[in-house]
Amino acid sequence: QITLKESGPTLVKPTQTLTLTCTFSGFSLSTSGVGVGWIRQPPGKALEWLALIYWDDDKRYSPSLKSRLTITKDTSKNQVVLTMTNMDPVDTATYYCAHFPADMVRGVYLDAFDIWGQGTMVTVSS
Amino acid sequence: QSVLTQPPSVSAAPGQKVTISCSGSSSNIGNNYVSWYQQLPGTAPKLLIYENNKRPSGIPDRFSGSKSGTSATLGITGLQTGDEADYYCGTWDSSLSVVFGGGTKLTVL
Repeated sequence: QITLKESGPTLVKPTQTLTLTCTFSGFSLSTSGVGVGWIRQPPGKALEWLALIYWDDDKRYSPSLKSRLTITKDTSKNQVVLTMTNMDPVDTATYYCAHFPADMVRGVYLDAFDIWGQGTMVTVSS
Repeated sequence: QSVLTQPPSVSAAPGQKVTISCSGSSSNIGNNYVSWYQQLPGTAPKLLIYENNKRPSGIPDRFSGSKSGTSATLGITGLQTGDEADYYCGTWDSSLSVVFGGGTKLTVL
């Protein structure tokens, strides 16, 4: 059974750096054919993809936020960490991490997030 | 402004069928698989459809997906009050980024 859980501060001040941790179980990021992504959702608004890291440490970032984001993995701890610099009140949102699987028989990624964490709400305010 | 365009809301009566559209371009939907997510109030999104029309284990066949050109459609038959939720489409973009639609709120009257 795959589970993911986000953790981090609930309140950050403008200009500060946000660090969020996704702790997962049921799979390993050292195994081929898997990734973990981050997605956020401002209150009452749509989903916005942020970043994705693959088992082989390949990384993808949202073009509009790339300069502010860093995604890393710690396979020994089963964790993925997302850092976002220069936080602003518009970054107030629920942040989700999610499992990005592959079909190992066909050798292709499913191009979808199949299991999501419960999300963590981050408020940016002075 | 989302890259993928969805109607803000749709509604139908219990037992009826509803479709939700997702419009994109050749740089995203036109050349990539589409996925659909259901987000019940106060919960995390849940994968309903992947690779345009495939359902993960446990998703009832009341939910279906299709794609034609640069648009995709989610269909829900036999509507239930428990289907009231926000629905999002998603896909890859040529910029090597994941993009989502603006979401559609489904009301079951």
